[in-house]
Amino acid sequence: DIRMTQSPSTLSASVGDRVTITCRASRNINDWLAWYQQKPGKAPKLLIYKASTLESGVPSRFSGSGSGTDFTLTVSSLQPDDFATYYCQHYNNYSRTFGQGTKVEIK
Amino acid sequence: EVQVVESGGGLVQPGGSLRLSCTASGFTFRAYAMTWVRQAPGKGLEWVSGIGGSGGSTYYADFVRGRFITSRDNSKNTVYLQMNSLRAEDTAVYYCAKDRHMTPFYYMDVWGKGTTVAVSS
Repeated sequence: DIRMTQSPSTLSASVGDRVTITCRASRNINDWLAWYQQKPGKAPKLLIYKASTLESGVPSRFSGSGSGTDFTLTVSSLQPDDFATYYCQHYNNYSRTFGQGTKVEIK
Repeated sequence: EVQVVESGGGLVQPGGSLRLSCTASGFTFRAYAMTWVRQAPGKGLEWVSGIGGSGGSTYYADFVRGRFITSRDNSKNTVYLQMNSLRAEDTAVYYCAKDRHMTPFYYMDVWGKGTTVAVSS
């Protein structure tokens, strides 16, 4: 099975900061990667798929990049609504693995 | 409005069974795969199972294979997760999610609010 490793596990930031989260796959997954946002007590929300394609309705301050084994999610200017936990997810395989999550908290 | 709504969670004893349901609306149900994802208290997301749009193909995580069965009734716009031989470690919020495509090999674009399963004596 493919393992997905996110870093950091927790990130402290302020409103307006540029934030980058990294996701690494244990082997090549091309660009078969999605990013989700989850707030406490809520369901996950799809942000990005195919590594860099923004889901409809998601603010343009979110962007994704990468291919192969290394991927990043960037928030260009953190907003109060963005404090949440973010997960990457490998797909294109029946077993769709999530990263362990990165919590973005207020500094 | 496109939505999925889970039901059927509750408290069950170890070794017991429970059936979760997920009813969809606002989209052509049979055209999309459906997925179950769980989240243990304070933990991350964990893929559990996926089922194709026709119901002919099902896939399971190793830790539930042989204990859980996923099925769907396209006439009722409903997907089910039959959970047998439940263990304490199955305690989690179980989310139902709609896949972007008919085969369960992609990402999930619509999620329910989840239903809580607690396995305890």
